[in-house]
Amino acid sequence: AQSVTQLDSQVPVFEEAPVELRCNYSSSVSVYLFWYVQYPNQGLQLLLKYLSGSTLVKSINGFEAEFNKSQTSFHLRKPSVHISDTAEYFCAVSDSNAGNMLTFGGGTRLMVKP
Amino acid sequence: EAGVTQSPTHLIKTRGQQATLRCSPISGHTSVYWYQQALGLGLQFLLWYDEGEERNRGNFPPRFSGRQFPNYSSELNVNALELEDSALYLCASSGTGVWGIYNEQFFGPGTRLTVL
Repeated sequence: AQSVTQLDSQVPVFEEAPVELRCNYSSSVSVYLFWYVQYPNQGLQLLLKYLSGSTLVKSINGFEAEFNKSQTSFHLRKPSVHISDTAEYFCAVSDSNAGNMLTFGGGTRLMVKP
Repeated sequence: EAGVTQSPTHLIKTRGQQATLRCSPISGHTSVYWYQQALGLGLQFLLWYDEGEERNRGNFPPRFSGRQFPNYSSELNVNALELEDSALYLCASSGTGVWGIYNEQFFGPGTRLTVL
């Protein structure tokens, strides 16, 4: 069975500071990993994904995440955050045995302060 | 191109009643997924439909059920509502879900169900 742990439920950070949102997973087979973002009163938007190939994946708005198989982690980073990055971030995993089902972590609320 | 749509946006029911939530997938998508986002419980997988068939089900009681219509839209029915069913219900769609191959899921805005 898969599981995802997001170690921080809330991360407060000042604007233009760097941020890291941590995600660890467990799965017995090859995994697909995702970060989704949820802005207030909205659905989920895919931020970035790792399916195969390069372990470092990047989004168009400056976020990046690195798949680390030995540490079973997929941490999300941004070197300089903006007020508009304030949102809830969810890490998710799917594996080759799970069909297309996603297992989500508990979410991390990123709060960017001016 | 229209995204995944869900209706209604909000739904208020009382304990014991039934709720019906609807989802229209992106044109061309055949798979529909339902997730529950309850306060304090995070996002949990509920149901997966593909080509009109239920493919998989999360750890929810039988009073959570659904179906997928020939046009690939889907309904989620929750019978005998309980207070803890209050949550945001998210629907997602993707291309045909095939075991071993990942197809990206696109999410709708959700239906917020409140049980009083």
